Amino acid sequence: NAGVTQTPKFQVLKTGQSMTLQCAQDMNHNSMYWYRQDPGMGLRLIYYSASEGTTDKGEVPNGYNVSRLNKREFSLRLESAAPSQTSVYFCASRGSPSGKANYGYTFGSGTRLTVV
Amino acid sequence: QKEVEQNSGPLSVPEGAIASLNCTYSDRVSQSFFWYRQYSGKSPELIMSIYSNGDKEDGRFTAQLNKASQYVSLLIRDSQPSDSATYLCAGTPYSGAGSYQLTFGKGTKLSVIP
Repeated sequence: NAGVTQTPKFQVLKTGQSMTLQCAQDMNHNSMYWYRQDPGMGLRLIYYSASEGTTDKGEVPNGYNVSRLNKREFSLRLESAAPSQTSVYFCASRGSPSGKANYGYTFGSGTRLTVV
Repeated sequence: QKEVEQNSGPLSVPEGAIASLNCTYSDRVSQSFFWYRQYSGKSPELIMSIYSNGDKEDGRFTAQLNKASQYVSLLIRDSQPSDSATYLCAGTPYSGAGSYQLTFGKGTKLSVIP
């Protein structure tokens, strides 16, 4: 099925460990995004990539790095995980699975990360 | 003023009624607006987009935009228990093609009571 695929779906890390969250989309979208969602805080933008080869910081970039590997893939790396990074992470790309030109985001299913 | 504000709810409506969800926004996100539905434990799903003043209808959903008053709303007619979810309002300063970031409100939780 067309859409945005995130891996892993769940992860538990110890403080100080590193990991990479993977995201891939098959809708030929140029723009991709990483958000985190926390209770009472809503969705907050971590990093985004307007097109292949470019990345920019969002609202809460500290503690994260990203790589736009190619047009399909956009990864998020936690170099030294902290308990404050416990959250649900969503990757998104701009567009619609139905092909309608509504310029909204399509989200992946999310990664639930716990840092202990 | 926060860029996109929503009442967190919960908003409870009886089955078959009209649910009205509201969102206000600042000048920085004043061009394009989107409504997302998010079921518990799931990812947000785009249900409506609106760019121009007035109403836009899609099935049981109607989005309303009033740029003079800086608010956008979502009406759900004939509400069903399956509509119970958190509804996220999002805005952007850009319209049309080109990259942009959406700014989200914190969401309104809707419960439809059978």
